Amino acid sequence: AQKVTQAQTEISVVEKEDVTLDCVYETRDTTYYLFWYKQPPSGELVFLIRRNSFDEQNEISGRYSWNFQKSTSSFNFTITASQVVDSAVYFCALRSTSNTGKLIFGQGTTLQVKP
Amino acid sequence: EAGVAQSPRYKIIEKRQSVAFWCNPISGHATLYWYQQILGQGPKLLIQFQNNGVVDDSQLPKDRFSAERLKGVDSTLKIQPAKLEDSAVYLCASSLALAGAYNEQFFGPGTRLTVL
Repeated sequence: AQKVTQAQTEISVVEKEDVTLDCVYETRDTTYYLFWYKQPPSGELVFLIRRNSFDEQNEISGRYSWNFQKSTSSFNFTITASQVVDSAVYFCALRSTSNTGKLIFGQGTTLQVKP
Repeated sequence: EAGVAQSPRYKIIEKRQSVAFWCNPISGHATLYWYQQILGQGPKLLIQFQNNGVVDDSQLPKDRFSAERLKGVDSTLKIQPAKLEDSAVYLCASSLALAGAYNEQFFGPGTRLTVL
């Protein structure tokens, strides 16, 4: 069975603090993709990053960075120097290459950044 | 490039009534998805189309939900009759292809359904 767990339901930080959102996944597939999406109050899911299971290099994009560790089945997301505009719900998702391409989402983590 | 369009954005109905949602995917995207997102949860796939054929509808409550994509472009999702537990945001997404590197899904703004 495939599953994504985001244990943190809500996180509240003060602006400029660093914050890490945790994601743990389960899959028996050897080839798969992992994603992070942001869902602002407007409701639209915004794609942030995709990683495939063969690429364990960490990635940095501006204030965002991602740490993929296959050994612990984790794909954590860190926001450095958080800003109020980062307030949103963040979803981690898994897609196997053996299925039809559907995304399996975690429950989401609500991040509130206070000024 | 225009994104995924959905309408209406909001809908309030009473239980046992019918409702329909419309989705227009990104031009040229062959694959279309409908997800249901209940408050406080992640989206869950209801149905997936490849052109005008159904690829996966294993989690669609077929006794009350139906969907079609007749010409392989626009899609309609219908609920008849609605139940209280159908209150959710219905998200439409599209992707260029079914699998592989070009499977990135782009999401519409969603339709927020409230069933009273």
